[in-house]
Amino acid sequence: RKEVEQDPGPFNVPEGATVAFNCTYSNSASQSFFWYRQDCRKEPKLLMSVYSSGNEDGRFTAQLNRASQYISLLIRDSKLSDSATYLCVVFPAGGSYIPTFGRGTSLIVHP
Amino acid sequence: DTEVTQTPKHLVMGMTNKKSLKCEQHMGHRAMYWYKQKAKKPPELMFVYSYEKLSINESVPSRFSPECPNSSLLNLHLHALQPEDSALYLCASSQEDGSDEQYFGPGTRLTVT
Repeated sequence: RKEVEQDPGPFNVPEGATVAFNCTYSNSASQSFFWYRQDCRKEPKLLMSVYSSGNEDGRFTAQLNRASQYISLLIRDSKLSDSATYLCVVFPAGGSYIPTFGRGTSLIVHP
Repeated sequence: DTEVTQTPKHLVMGMTNKKSLKCEQHMGHRAMYWYKQKAKKPPELMFVYSYEKLSINESVPSRFSPECPNSSLLNLHLHALQPEDSALYLCASSQEDGSDEQYFGPGTRLTVT
């Protein structure tokens, strides 16, 4: 089993739809979790940190489920500009500098 | 300001050339990183500097040589590269602790001919 797994997609949704991605991790001691967005041929940009209590920023909601070892990202009212690859990033416990990236989930929002 | 800058944006080099990639941040971050990213793959960690000292080298070939002249600057010196080293090279920085949010620069797209 890979350390961090994501469904590569693509998820093809119409504008205005709600879409959710999950990211599972294998190390139960993992302590820091993030979602990044990466546009084609651009750098990853931090989208959200994922806290134990969840995190919401406008149309975006991130949740952590420690019992089942996954994080999720929910996007409401999808916009064309949300089309991108969404990468989850997991850090193991102990302040390790070595993040584990998921392969990314591709989202395509169409008119 | 969460800006990390990188130069050059694009670089084409022959296998016998020596070149350097540069990265700069002015956020007061104490950890800086080099990543390599191939198409349709996630970034792969190469090096981590913490407080200007190399703390992690992910078994990177010696033809890649990192340097951290000061807390704001990070260089990656390239020598005798192979065509398979062609990739997007990303620099990132984070506040201090290794599990903080990382902020990425725009990257240098390297082509080795």
